Amino acid sequence: QVQLVESGGGLVKPGGSLRLSCAASGFTLSDYYMSWIRQAPGKGLEWVSYISSSVSTIYYADSVKGRFTISRDNAKNSLYLQMNSLRAEDTAVYYCARAMRGGQWLRDWGQGTLVTVSS
Amino acid sequence: QSALTQPASVSGSPGQSITISCTGTSSDVGAYNYVSWYQQHPGKAPKLMIYEVSNRPSGVSNRFSGSTSGNTASLTISGLQAEDEADYYCSSYTSSSTLIFGTGTKVTVL
Repeated sequence: QVQLVESGGGLVKPGGSLRLSCAASGFTLSDYYMSWIRQAPGKGLEWVSYISSSVSTIYYADSVKGRFTISRDNAKNSLYLQMNSLRAEDTAVYYCARAMRGGQWLRDWGQGTLVTVSS
Repeated sequence: QSALTQPASVSGSPGQSITISCTGTSSDVGAYNYVSWYQQHPGKAPKLMIYEVSNRPSGVSNRFSGSTSGNTASLTISGLQAEDEADYYCSSYTSSSTLIFGTGTKVTVL
């Protein structure tokens, strides 16, 4: 069955960096768009970014553009999110998800990894 | 871009039907048939319930149905059950090639 496992979360100071990973199994990663979504404590879902199967198409939410970079390694069945210049408002659980069509909806989700930005 | 607008809470008794609305604009909900709905229980990851406005993934009960009218999408849960108590989020593809989520609705089974 499809499994997505995020890792790399933790406590980081404002202005710091963190790299999240998402290990995929149960499907061929190279066939699918993938996405990152986050959820601040007690708040709603916020889409962060998606990347096409061939890496030719990448989009970001305005709130992270220029600070976050999504990437993938299909050979390693992994998705990544490099987060730089972190702010307190980036504190959230970060989920990776398998996206369908051209990233228009999210079929499967990981359990999430918590990122806390605090001094 | 602001989040899609959903009611903060909706409640119903077991066996009843409830409907959750999701209001967007002509640049998202009204522009594409790419509205999806997600169910999230406390402390859990979201789960896809409806995709492309009205389609159910395998394994999702047929008590869940979706529709759109203009810039507003709706999720209806019929025959409400205790296990349906959760948060529900709509999502839409946008004309900027991004995704946008709704503000979320807490469903309470009385």
